[in-house]
Amino acid sequence: DAGVIQSPRHEVTEMGQEVTLRCKPISGHNSLFWYRQTMMRGLELLIYFNNNVPIDDSGMPEDRFSAKMPNASFSTLKIQPSEPRDSAVYFCASSFDPGLVGPYEQYFGPGTRLTVT
Amino acid sequence: KNQVEQSPQSLIILEGKNCTLQCNYTVSPFSNLRWYKQDTGRGPVSLTIMTFSENTKSNGRYTATLDADTKQSSLHITASQLSDSASYICVVSSMNNNAGNMLTFGGGTRLMVKP
Repeated sequence: DAGVIQSPRHEVTEMGQEVTLRCKPISGHNSLFWYRQTMMRGLELLIYFNNNVPIDDSGMPEDRFSAKMPNASFSTLKIQPSEPRDSAVYFCASSFDPGLVGPYEQYFGPGTRLTVT
Repeated sequence: KNQVEQSPQSLIILEGKNCTLQCNYTVSPFSNLRWYKQDTGRGPVSLTIMTFSENTKSNGRYTATLDADTKQSSLHITASQLSDSASYICVVSSMNNNAGNMLTFGGGTRLMVKP
C-alpha cells in the first residue's frame, strides 16, 4: 500500500483565496483525521471521521474551515477565505479504529505545507 | 482542563548514549497514551500505544512506561543513533461520551543526537 496520500505537498496562495487540501487514506481504514501543525501551537486535531461520518469537529478553528468525506477513499479540507494565520502544515492520518480513537495505530501522510501571503 | 506537558523541550546527547523523555498529563478519563516520532519535514510515526492496564511497552530501542496513578509516562531510548534525531510527541486520548475519544497533545521534545 502507498500509505496515506496527500495533495498538494506545497501550496502558496494569497489571502482571501480558497484552498482545498486532499487526502486518500489507506485502503481498508475506516477512520480519517485532519491535523494542523505550527511552531507556536504544535500538533492539533481539527476533525475526524469514522465510516465517512464526521464524529468530532470541535478542533476546526472557525467557519472558514470545512471538511468532507464523500466516500471511504477520499477526503477534503477546505479553507475559504484563507488568511495568513492559516499558514501551517496540514496532516491527514488514517486508521482502522472501531472504537473511535481507541488504541489503534494512526498512519500519517506526508503533509501539505500551506503558506498564505 | 486536559493538558499534556513534555520535558525537556529539547535535548542533545552523544551517539550511543541513552536518554529518557518525560510526559505528564492531567487528561481524564484516560483512554490511551501514544508516543510519536516526527522527523523534520515528515508526518509523525507511531512508536507505542499504551492503555490503562499496560505499564511498559517496547519497540526496538524505544521503551515506553506508563504510571496511570501518577499520570506520568516516559520514553527511554537505548544506545541512541543519529537517526533518532527528531521530535517526540506524547498524545493522550480521553474518553468522551458524546463523540468518541478526545486527543490532547504535548508540545514535543526535540532530540538531537550528535556523533
